[in-house]
Amino acid sequence: KNEVEQSPQNLTAQEGEFITINCSYSVGISALHWLQQHPGGGIVSLFMLSSGKKKHGRLIATINIQEKHSSLHITASHPRDSAVYICAVNSNTGNQFYFGTGTSLTVIP
Amino acid sequence: DTGVSQNPRHKITKRGQNVTFRCDPISEHNRLYWYRQTLGQGPEFLTYFQNEAQLEKSRLLSDRFSAERPKGSFSTLEIQRTEQGDSAMYLCASSLYGVYEQYFGPGTRLTVT
Repeated sequence: KNEVEQSPQNLTAQEGEFITINCSYSVGISALHWLQQHPGGGIVSLFMLSSGKKKHGRLIATINIQEKHSSLHITASHPRDSAVYICAVNSNTGNQFYFGTGTSLTVIP
Repeated sequence: DTGVSQNPRHKITKRGQNVTFRCDPISEHNRLYWYRQTLGQGPEFLTYFQNEAQLEKSRLLSDRFSAERPKGSFSTLEIQRTEQGDSAMYLCASSLYGVYEQYFGPGTRLTVT
């Protein structure tokens, strides 16, 4: 049983398309994170949120605590957005992080 | 501040050998985490430290694995008698106590032949 589920697993988009990646979780959380991982392994934190919505440039993250669901949106996608996007949650019963398996995004020029 | 660093970046070892990895967190961060990531999967939690105290260990951390953070700064992860199933990316992250955002290192990729 995975505490964090992401969909889709793989996503291919044309440059300029609007992209949505979904994350559902089954544990109580204190925060949810969206992470970006490029080939070679480096992980960068994109967003940390516990309610509502955050925006950074072309990236938007939303969370619905009641539904235990979050979405990451990319507007006007670009080939440099190609990466694996990982959803992770802080459990509110300890200090564990639970990670989704990631969504591999490829944006084609 | 140069962020979280890990050494080595790559390690190839023969089955049965011992390996040790090092993580240097962001200097003012008192929490340090170790994760393992296999191909096509998200990271899996292994263990974490608050200062020098190891507060939580995953069931994934078998007896062959040991982690230390002797002075509350850098940490080492040792794997004894490596097995091919240990081949993975080992990630380290650090954070400030009470702040949930974690900063990840570049990882150490271990290949056991």
